[in-house]
Amino acid sequence: KQEVTQIPAALSVPEGENLVLNCSFTDSAIYNLQWFRQDPGKGLTSLLLIQSSQREQTSGRLNASLDKSSGRSTLYIAASQPGDSATYLCAVSAGANNLFFGTGTRLTVIP
Amino acid sequence: EAQVTQNPRYLITVTGKKLTVTCSQNMNHEYMSWYRQDPGLGLRQIYYSMNVEVTDKGDVPEGYKVSRKEKRNFPLILESPSPNQTSLYFCASSLDILAGATDTQYFGPGTRLTVL
Repeated sequence: KQEVTQIPAALSVPEGENLVLNCSFTDSAIYNLQWFRQDPGKGLTSLLLIQSSQREQTSGRLNASLDKSSGRSTLYIAASQPGDSATYLCAVSAGANNLFFGTGTRLTVIP
Repeated sequence: EAQVTQNPRYLITVTGKKLTVTCSQNMNHEYMSWYRQDPGLGLRQIYYSMNVEVTDKGDVPEGYKVSRKEKRNFPLILESPSPNQTSLYFCASSLDILAGATDTQYFGPGTRLTVL
């Protein structure tokens, strides 16, 4: 069964720093990998979706990479802002009908 | 506005009292699913539906029922809730998850359920 791990579980950085969040998965037979953002009291918001054939995706200050063969993905956040504070979740699509989620990294950006 | 809505947002109930959490999406999505989120375990899929009248079990279906009589609605039913079903529940939808797996899922705001 697919297992998704995110390290670290929590991270605090001063405003303006660049940072990297890590995600690893055990089964490389995936359709895609997604990064979500979760804010307290709100649902999940999709940030980036990388197809299994792709190596990276970019959206604004966010860049996600995928190395399917090694079962790893990173989410790079440039010039962090306090508004980036949230929990970031990684999820892999292991078939046509399910997402397997990691337990998330709680990010705090200190003004 | 395109969205997934859930009701209620918060619910405290007692063991054995049947309850229903509603989920509705206004994006004409075919695929809908329910997840529960627990500390240290992440989100786990309960049930999913690929279209009207088509539902199937996810990873943790025990103690739950669903129905899909209309495309926009996908209620989650707990016939006899127990304390181990205390959790944060999310409904999600996507246009067609079979379409090359290119679609992201859109999530509702969550329902925090406490079963005493």
